[in-house]
Order: sequence, then C-alpha cells, then structure tokens
Amino acid sequence: EAEVAQSPRYKITEKSQAVAFWCDPISGHATLYWYRQILGQGPELLVQFQDESVVDDSQLPKDRFSAERLKGVDSTLKIQPAELGDSAMYLCASSSGLASRHVTDTQYFGPGTRLTVL
Amino acid sequence: KQEVTQIPAALSVPEGENLVLNCSFTDSAIYNLQWFRQDPGKGLTSLLLIQSSQREQTSGRLNASLDKSSGRSTLYIAASQPGDSATYLCAVGTGGFKTIFGAGTRLFVKA
Repeated sequence: EAEVAQSPRYKITEKSQAVAFWCDPISGHATLYWYRQILGQGPELLVQFQDESVVDDSQLPKDRFSAERLKGVDSTLKIQPAELGDSAMYLCASSSGLASRHVTDTQYFGPGTRLTVL
Repeated sequence: KQEVTQIPAALSVPEGENLVLNCSFTDSAIYNLQWFRQDPGKGLTSLLLIQSSQREQTSGRLNASLDKSSGRSTLYIAASQPGDSATYLCAVGTGGFKTIFGAGTRLFVKA
C-alpha cells in the first residue's frame, strides 16, 4: 500500500539553528499539505500545495519558515532560525483531488517529524 | 472563523462497550468532515470521510454521522476493543481550501 514518506522521524536542534524536513507524497497525488501539531492539540495547516504552486500559506510564519515543492512531487519545509516554540510534530499529508474542487478526497498522512528545539 | 470542538477530551471505557465521540463546529458551511485516528507519536489515519451532501458513513464497527444544520458530527464505535485505544480527531473542510481540526478525544479501552 502506498504511503506518505517523511524524514527525519526525529530531530533535535538548538535554537537559532536551521532545520529541514522532507516529504514524499503518494505517487500521483496533486495536493500536498504541511501541518504542525503541538502536543495535545489538533494539527494546524501551515502550507498547502497544488502541484508546485502554493494555494494557502496564510498560517506559515514566513519570517522563519519556508516551503517548496519545485517539481510538484516531493517537498521540503525549512525553519531558520529555529525557536523554542517551534517544538512540535510536523506532519505531511497528500490527497489526489484538486484543492479547487473543495469536495476534497481523503488526506493521507505520513508518520511525522518530531522536532525538539533546545 | 470556524472552530471545531471535541467532547469529551478523554474517555475510558471497559472492553465491549459501545461509545460515541462528539465533534461540533461553529460554521455550518462545510464541504466535508473527516474522522481520523492517531496513535501516540504517530501520524493520522483516516477512518471516515463524509461529504456535505451525506448524512453518515460506515466502516466496520465505525459509524459517523453529520448534521450540518446543528454543526455536529458523532463517531459511534461498536463493541470497543483495547486496540481501539488512540486519539480520535475530527476535521472539517471549509472554504479557502482549509481543513480545521479539533483537539481530539483520547480513548482508552480497558481489557
């Protein structure tokens, strides 16, 4: 069964350092999402891609976060510099449907990257 | 602004019991609602997806209902098992391509 891949699974870094997370969605899925989940809360959308284009990054702290999906396949989320409050689980998800259809397909999630900032 | 609330925050039941998890949302203009399961330290697994035109979906021992007018959804789990222990999250699909999650209900099924 196809799965969403993420790496690394765990990352420990010191504040002010740069970190990067990688996501490979299910093959053929046009829509890719990055979420941040703080312990005890639900995931919060950071950025959503339709192929290589960003369709929503309104909740992405653009002064320190960046995301790209250059070829419309895999994606990288970067934080520079990391802050203590960035400690969280970073989840990637993909779906096959077009974001503009609104009646979205099921989102399939990867295992996540647990980030700890010291 | 759409807000999603899940009650209770935590629930402990004996094995074999039927149970209901609740999800409420403030804006009835949704496109769909999904229920997910999350095991500790893991990603989310989709359980059921209900489109806005539907009233319920069923998968095995799970049944999810949607009442848009009252802003509510319920997830019914029949004959609960210890393996059902996890956090259950609901998420609504709204305008502007957004998916809004609740904080989840932590379920513990005692053997």
